[in-house]
Amino acid sequence: AQRVTQPEKLLSVFKGAPVELKCNYSYSGSPELFWYVQYSRQRLQLLLRHISRESIKGFTADLNKGETSFHLKKPFAQEEDSAMYYCALSGGTGGFKTIFGAGTRLFVKA
Amino acid sequence: NAGVTQTPKFRILKIGQSMTLQCTQDMNHNYMYWYRQDPGMGLKLIYYSVGAGITDKGEVPNGYNVSRSTTEDFPLRLELAAPSQTSVYFCASSYHSYEQYFGPGTRLTVT
Repeated sequence: AQRVTQPEKLLSVFKGAPVELKCNYSYSGSPELFWYVQYSRQRLQLLLRHISRESIKGFTADLNKGETSFHLKKPFAQEEDSAMYYCALSGGTGGFKTIFGAGTRLFVKA
Repeated sequence: NAGVTQTPKFRILKIGQSMTLQCTQDMNHNYMYWYRQDPGMGLKLIYYSVGAGITDKGEVPNGYNVSRSTTEDFPLRLELAAPSQTSVYFCASSYHSYEQYFGPGTRLTVT
């Protein structure tokens, strides 16, 4: 079965520190991996996807097929990065349906 | 564009009551989805639609119904509300099968 696991419910770091939000997945087929973000009082929105290989707001994520991971990283966290982050998977045997992880709340302290 | 809009924002229902959560998108997206989000859990897919007149069950469809008479609208119906349906409901849409655009959510409490 396809599954997305985010092992940390809460991650707290100091401003300027590196941050890594972990995401592991299981799949059948060729999935697409995404990171969605929800800032306070805003709607859920796409942050980045693995096929675009881009950096958004300083965040990057590399798909590691060997470890079935898609960790989200940023070298220097900012207070405005505080938000809820969801790793998501679609494709494979699930087709276009997207499976979401439980989410990690990132809190960046001043 | 307003994107994806949902009404109402909040609702309290008594057990056994029914209601319809409205969802509208103005991006001409074919795909639409309904999710529920319980505390500490990820989003669970309730129903989805790949176009007007076509709907299918997701992971947790029991207790819900949907219809898709137009491209723009995808209402979610709760017929006999139960406390287990207390949750935050999100509607989303997508043009192709991947990036989804979400509505602001509806917080529903059933008591």
